[in-house]
Amino acid sequence: KQEVTQIPAALSVPEGENLVLNCSFTDSAIYNLQWFRQDPGKGLTSLLLIQSSQREQTSGRLNASLDKSSGRSTLYIAASQPGDSATYLCASSVEAQKLVFGQGTRLTINP
Amino acid sequence: DVKVTQSSRYLVKRTGEKVFLECVQDMDHENMFWYRQDPGLGLRLIYFSYDVKMKEKGDIPEGYSVSREKKERFSLILESASTNQTSMYLCASSFPGQLYEQYFGPGTRLTVT
Repeated sequence: KQEVTQIPAALSVPEGENLVLNCSFTDSAIYNLQWFRQDPGKGLTSLLLIQSSQREQTSGRLNASLDKSSGRSTLYIAASQPGDSATYLCASSVEAQKLVFGQGTRLTINP
Repeated sequence: DVKVTQSSRYLVKRTGEKVFLECVQDMDHENMFWYRQDPGLGLRLIYFSYDVKMKEKGDIPEGYSVSREKKERFSLILESASTNQTSMYLCASSFPGQLYEQYFGPGTRLTVT
C-alpha cells in the first residue's frame, strides 16, 4: 500500500528565502505526483502535476521535481513571500484514479 | 477553468439525522471523489465514481453512501450522522487519462452535535 510522507510538518522562514519542501513515497510505480496548496479552512488548489515520465515541472516561482527510483519529490519555492504561507500537500497515484496524500507541510513566511 | 462547487461551506446537524452533501463540477469530468480531512489523519478517500451510476468504495466508506444520477453531480450521504463524522469534506473531479489531475471544491465543514 502506498504511503506518502512529508517532512517537516511545519516550516517557518523569513521572507525572500528560497525553500524546499520534501515528499517521499514508498511505491515507485506511480502514475503521477501532484502538489497542492491549502489555505486555512479552504479546499485544495492544484499547483503542479508531474507525470511519471517527467523529471520536473515549473510554474512561476515554483519548481517540482520527481525521482521515482528514490521515491522522492521536492517542491522548490523561490523568493518566498508572506502570501505563500499555507499548507502544502503532495499526493501520488498508484492506482490510476486514486490519490494518496501526505500529511502536509505547514509553511509560514515571516515578513 | 475547472469549477467544482459544494452545496454548503458550513453545516451543523444532529446525531441520527440523514445528511446530504452535494458536489457539482462543470467540466464534464467522468471521475468524481469524496474525501474527508481530519487533523493528524490527512485526507482519506471515502468513495469515488468513474461514471454515472458507477461507484467504488475508498478507504473509509463505512457510514457513508453516494449517489451519481447525473455526470456533473456527486452526492455524499450520511445515513445516520454520528459525532465521529464531524469533519471537513472535500469533493474532487478529474478527467480520465494520463494526467488524472484532480480538481477540488472549497470543502464543507460538517459538525454533528
